[in-house]
Amino acid sequence: GESVGLHLPTLSVQEGDNSIINCAYSNSASDYFIWYKQESGKGPQFIIDIRSNMDKRQGQRVTVLLNKTVKHLSLQIAATQPGDSAVYFCAENTGGFKTIFGAGTRLFVKA
Amino acid sequence: GAGVSQSPSNKVTEKGKDVELRCDPISGHTALYWYRQSLGQGLEFLIYFQGNSAPDKSGLPSDRFSAERTGGSVSTLTIQRTQQEDSAVYLCASNNGGQYEQYFGPGTRLTVT
Repeated sequence: GESVGLHLPTLSVQEGDNSIINCAYSNSASDYFIWYKQESGKGPQFIIDIRSNMDKRQGQRVTVLLNKTVKHLSLQIAATQPGDSAVYFCAENTGGFKTIFGAGTRLFVKA
Repeated sequence: GAGVSQSPSNKVTEKGKDVELRCDPISGHTALYWYRQSLGQGLEFLIYFQGNSAPDKSGLPSDRFSAERTGGSVSTLTIQRTQQEDSAVYLCASNNGGQYEQYFGPGTRLTVT
């Protein structure tokens, strides 16, 4: 069935390094993608989004890249900090209300 | 402003008992969602309310699960005759119907013993 999945369940990076979290999606009709961050004991929180007519979008220390040819989405975090430690979810939307969430990648930041 | 709130934050119940989980969405948000998140897993869609329209219940896993939204605001998710496999974090989110971004509450951690 349709799904949004992640290549790596866990990622460990050194503080100050850049992090890259990857996501594969299977629904070519998806036109909107969001990255969420979920800290322990909290609900997911919006980080950044991108529409299917774009291939790159930048925020504060974060960049999302979209490759529609291979149905791949990535989140890049620059100068990773301890506060970035969390589970990151990619999510896709095909224009209706229903959002499909991936399984999540846990990011560990080593001091 | 106030975000989405959920209560209780934690609930421990015995197998076979009924539980009610509450969600207070952001004021003015017309859409409300319930998700289930099992340990170390992603978010499983349960149910969606939009304004006065009939809810989309396509994600409810069994007829033991039900939800209502009174007055277009507060929502209650009810699980009857709880089973151990119902143990999970139940997340509520809201937004305005035309938005994609969802605003999540902190969740209710349900443990069925």
